[in-house]
Amino acid sequence: KNEVEQSPQNLTAQEGEFITINCSYSVGISALHWLQQHPGGGIVSLFMLSSGKKKHGRLIATINIQEKHSSLHITASHPRDSAVYICAVRRFGNEKLTFGTGTRLTIIP
Amino acid sequence: GAGVSQSPSNKVTEKGKDVELRCDPISGHTALYWYRQSLGQGLEFLIYFQGNSAPDKSGLPSDRFSAERTGGSVSTLTIQRTQQEDSAVYLCASSLAPTNEAFFGQGTRLTVV
Repeated sequence: KNEVEQSPQNLTAQEGEFITINCSYSVGISALHWLQQHPGGGIVSLFMLSSGKKKHGRLIATINIQEKHSSLHITASHPRDSAVYICAVRRFGNEKLTFGTGTRLTIIP
Repeated sequence: GAGVSQSPSNKVTEKGKDVELRCDPISGHTALYWYRQSLGQGLEFLIYFQGNSAPDKSGLPSDRFSAERTGGSVSTLTIQRTQQEDSAVYLCASSLAPTNEAFFGQGTRLTVV
């Protein structure tokens, strides 16, 4: 079993829909990252969380440390949100990131 | 520079040849990471540099892989005697400190033919 599991693996939605991507992990962590990867490979860091909730524009990320679970929400989704969204965790005492396999999001106009 | 810069952006090499991939981190960032993303696979950790400390090489898949970071800045990932299974996108990331947000480069797409 992977240390970081994401769901769903693929998600297709209509423009304007509210999107939720989930991430569960099985180890103690010091931080969790949400990353966005567009076709062509470039990766952008969206959020780094250690507790609670963060919001940036239409994006919201939450984390529940006790349940070892995080969600990424996109409100009023747009075709330009189409990308692969990757959850990654940093374990206590270990600075490298462990990645989920990603969620491929496609927003249809 | 404004962001993490990697070169080349694409590299096609013949099996058995050596390749060098370069990463210029954001100025002042003490932490530098190399990751690899094989086709259809998730990202996997290769190596991590932090300041003047000994690097964490625990992710390097074989002794054909090595990396160095000169002067605490530029890093070079070297793959010797490349194999077809080395084909992947190699990503570099840097952060101000290990506990800070990581910034990724655009990656080098390596194809071994």
